[in-house]
Amino acid sequence: DIQMTQSPSTLSASVGDRVTITCRASQSLSNWLAWYQQKPGKAPKLLIYKASSLESGVPSRFSGSGSGTEFTLTISSLQPDDFATYYCQQYNSYSGTFGGGTKVEIK
Amino acid sequence: QITLKESGPTLVKPTQTLTLTCTFSGFSLSTSGVGVGWIRQPPGKALEWLALIYWDDDKRYSPSLKSRLTITKDTSKNQVVLTMTNMDPVDTATYYCAHRTTFHGAFDIWGQGTLVTVSS
Repeated sequence: DIQMTQSPSTLSASVGDRVTITCRASQSLSNWLAWYQQKPGKAPKLLIYKASSLESGVPSRFSGSGSGTEFTLTISSLQPDDFATYYCQQYNSYSGTFGGGTKVEIK
Repeated sequence: QITLKESGPTLVKPTQTLTLTCTFSGFSLSTSGVGVGWIRQPPGKALEWLALIYWDDDKRYSPSLKSRLTITKDTSKNQVVLTMTNMDPVDTATYYCAHRTTFHGAFDIWGQGTLVTVSS
């Protein structure tokens, strides 16, 4: 099964900061990778699919890049609403796998 | 508008079988490319992919849980059912169902989730 490793697990940042989260896969995914945002007590929300495609309605400050085994989610200017936990997910293989999550906290 | 909602018991005993139902609206699971998946999240922990069923009845399971999971669909009722056998306290989690299409590949619409506690 494909393993997904996210880093960092926790990130402290301020409003306006540029934030980058990395996700590494144990084998090549092509571009079959998604990013989700989850707030406490809520279901995850899709942000990015196919590694770099922005889901409809998601602010353009979110962007995704990468292919193969290394992927990044970037928030260009962190907003108060962005403090949450972010997960990557691969869907290249027979089944899907989520990363361990990155919690973005207020510095 | 696509919506999904999970239902089932909130409390199960160890060794029992859990049956969860995902009732959805706004799409048909007989449409080419559509799928419904199940994902769970233990309290304070990460998401875990469990199972996925496609419009053509193709079924996918987490390798680590495959022996305990069964996913089925009832297209006429707009429902997907997940059963998990031999429940253990470590299976305590919020269980989500979610919609997927081949356009996204990812889960674009999620249900609100249902918390299942495993305890004697």
